[in-house]
Amino acid sequence: EDKVVQSPLSLVVHEGDTVTLNCSYEVTNFRSLLWYKQEKKAPTFLFMLTSSGIEKKSGRLSSILDKKELFSILNITATQTGDSAIYLCAVEAANQFYFGTGTSLTVIP
Amino acid sequence: EPEVTQTPSHQVTQMGQEVILRCVPISNHLYFYWYRQILGQKVEFLVSFYNNEISEKSEIFDDQFSVERPDGSNFTLKIRSTKLEDSAMYFCASSSLSNQPQHFGDGTRLSIL
Repeated sequence: EDKVVQSPLSLVVHEGDTVTLNCSYEVTNFRSLLWYKQEKKAPTFLFMLTSSGIEKKSGRLSSILDKKELFSILNITATQTGDSAIYLCAVEAANQFYFGTGTSLTVIP
Repeated sequence: EPEVTQTPSHQVTQMGQEVILRCVPISNHLYFYWYRQILGQKVEFLVSFYNNEISEKSEIFDDQFSVERPDGSNFTLKIRSTKLEDSAMYFCASSSLSNQPQHFGDGTRLSIL
């Protein structure tokens, strides 16, 4: 069964729009949740979240974790064409790492 | 900025042959990982490695797979007798500590014929 579920699977927006990407999980011995951006090749790290309710922010990107409801969101404001990528959510639990299928974001000029 | 490097970028091999995928983690990192991503599917954890031994492995990482750190810089993944279903992108990653984010290499695309 899927331990990490991301939604939506894909999203097409116009430049300047704000998007919210969702990641829900169901694991035992949760340790951390990570967001990655995958363009052509290697996933690049965005955020690591371990505590509920503490927003992490980097420029136009922000993310928050809810450990009670077992989900995280990734927000991107004022989207740009360079934000087009697959956004991966991963959960570390019991010393293993579980990835979602990713959300494919396309930003149209 | 230091990065994880993987070679080759693409490997084509006949079924049943052995392959070795190579990775050079970031130099001061202590934790190393292999993942695979079958085309169109999610990234899957294979194995983590620390202090010259496997820390954790997934169900995918069966007896056909092995990892090694043959010297101070390389980290390799060996698949002993490849199968068609081993065709995938294989990513290496490293982190400085176990609770720090992992940095990924660009991957090796393995194609089994």
